[in-house]
Amino acid sequence: GAGVSQSPSNKVTEKGKDVELRCDPISGHTALYWYRQSLGQGLEFLIYFQGNSAPDKSGLPSDRFSAERTGGSVSTLTIQRTQQEDSAVYLCASSLWLLAGAASQETQYFGPGTRLLVL
Amino acid sequence: GIQVEQSPPDLILQEGANSTLRCNFSDSVNNLQWFHQNPWGQLINLFYIPSGTKQNGRLSATTVATERYSLLYISSSQTTDSGVYFCAVEGTSGTYKYIFGTGTRLKVLA
Repeated sequence: GAGVSQSPSNKVTEKGKDVELRCDPISGHTALYWYRQSLGQGLEFLIYFQGNSAPDKSGLPSDRFSAERTGGSVSTLTIQRTQQEDSAVYLCASSLWLLAGAASQETQYFGPGTRLLVL
Repeated sequence: GIQVEQSPPDLILQEGANSTLRCNFSDSVNNLQWFHQNPWGQLINLFYIPSGTKQNGRLSATTVATERYSLLYISSSQTTDSGVYFCAVEGTSGTYKYIFGTGTRLKVLA
């Protein structure tokens, strides 16, 4: 597609429910990133994928969070047993490629985000 | 872990004015990015700049890695420059993980 898309754009859920957030990167982009932005706060890096592989999952806030990517394209971020502190905007970005530890020059293109509210 | 501090936290400018935003970081980094988040929440990558100086139109950035800071210059500011500017650094641990500053909120008045 023309840009990074995310769905749903808004999600309201009850505490304890599971939610699944979806990211469609720009076609041909091998690297994909998930970030979280809590209300009035800065950005928090969660996880990245190079292809279908996520080499470092330590940025995920807890074991209730998981992410996967299939076919080198769509990625889903799943939050199990949601808590009120999970309320935030979840942003996805993609870039052509990424070489961790090197001075990557690939621009990240961001989606519009999913606004999650846990009641 | 690496600490990233940005200053000033808030800035109000009259259209046409110039400004300098600063990002200090506490350790060696592999990479540094500047982002702009517009008032509608859309994030745009402005610069990848682990060292040296880059320019893109009215924006330029300089990173002095040995002194652990980066500066973002905005010249002849426009109302469309309003939003939040974030600095993010990638550490040298060998895995990709960007740490963000808390941002500088800029408002440009017409």
